[in-house]
Parts: sequence; structure tokens; C-alpha cells
Amino acid sequence: ELKVEQNPLFLSMQEGKNYTIYCNYSTTSDRLYWYRQDPGKSLESLFVLLSNGAVKQEGRLMASLDTKARLSTLHITAAVHDLSATYFCAGNRDDKIIFGKGTRLHILP
Amino acid sequence: NAGVTQTPKFRILKIGQSMTLQCTQDMNHNYMYWYRQDPGMGLKLIYYSVGAGITDKGEVPNGYNVSRSTTEDFPLRLELAAPSQTSVYFCASTLDTGDTYEQYFGPGTRLTVT
Repeated sequence: ELKVEQNPLFLSMQEGKNYTIYCNYSTTSDRLYWYRQDPGKSLESLFVLLSNGAVKQEGRLMASLDTKARLSTLHITAAVHDLSATYFCAGNRDDKIIFGKGTRLHILP
Repeated sequence: NAGVTQTPKFRILKIGQSMTLQCTQDMNHNYMYWYRQDPGMGLKLIYYSVGAGITDKGEVPNGYNVSRSTTEDFPLRLELAAPSQTSVYFCASTLDTGDTYEQYFGPGTRLTVT
């Protein structure tokens, strides 16, 4: 059974700083997803990582996947207030997409 | 394309009542999913479907039923509502072709059972 763990669960950081959110998963996952959720809103897909060593970047966000370590990271570069949101990672096994608990990111001006 | 649509947006149920949450997608996606999100928590998979006529249980299926008679529609049925089913329910869909896997979410249904 696939289990997905994120850390930290809450992160408060200053604008302009860099930080990384970690996503560990318990067993083989066919792919790894990252999402963003704003308060009271639905989820928005950010990245889908398909293979070991995959790296994807969009603006100040960069996601990577290490399937041997069963680890994905979401790196935030020079954070800005607009990136404040909850970020979820999810894994896929046997057609089920299973989510972590999310990381609530609060970026202080 | 409207994407993934869900109705209703909000609903208050009394304990023991039943209701159906509707979900429709117009992207011809083969995979569809139902999740619930409790306050401040992640998403839990209730049921999923890999195509019309095929459904399977997720992590928390008890108290719910689904059907998938068409590619477009994936309704979620609550038969005997309980306070523990108070949550926000999200429907999602994916076109899994071997090349594309992006998951699209509906706007959600906020359900309160009292």
C-alpha cells in the first residue's frame, strides 16, 4: 500500500529566501505529482514527474524525483508572497493517486 | 471545455438522509476519482474509475457508493449520512495515455451533516 509523507507540514519563510519541501513515499510509485491549493479553492496541478532524475521547473518552483530514494523535492527559489499556499505531493500505484498531508507555506513580506 | 464540474457547491444534510454528488467532465478522460478533504488535512481517495463500467475502492470507501455508466459522469452516493462525512468533496479526472497524466480537479462540494 502506497503511503506518502511530506515535511515540513508548515513552513513560514521570508520573501527572497530559498527553501525545499520534501515528499517521501513508501513503495514504488509510477509517477509523482505536485499540486497547489489556495485557501477555500480547489487543487491546481503543478508538475507530474515520470522517471528517475526527472526535473521540472515553472517560475520559482522546481520539482525533482529520485525513485531510488523514493523522494521528491519541491524547491522554492527567492520566495514571493504570491507563492503562499498549501502544496501537496501525490504518488500513483495500481491506478490510485494517493496524497500526502500537504505543506502549508506562509511567505512573510 | 468546461473541464470538471461538480454540483451542488454546498449542501447541508440531516443525519440519515441520502444524496448524490454529481461530477461531469467533458475532456474524454478515462480516469476519474473522488476525494474528501477534511479541514486542514490532505485528500483521501474514496473511489476511482479507470473507465466506463469499472469502479474500485480507494482508501476510505465506507459509507459511499459510485457508478460510472458513461465516460463523462461519475456520481458519488451517500446513503445514510453521518456527521463523520462532513467534508469537502473533490472530483478529479485524468487522461492516462502513457504520455499525459495531468490530473484536473473540480471546484468541490462542501457538505455538512448535522
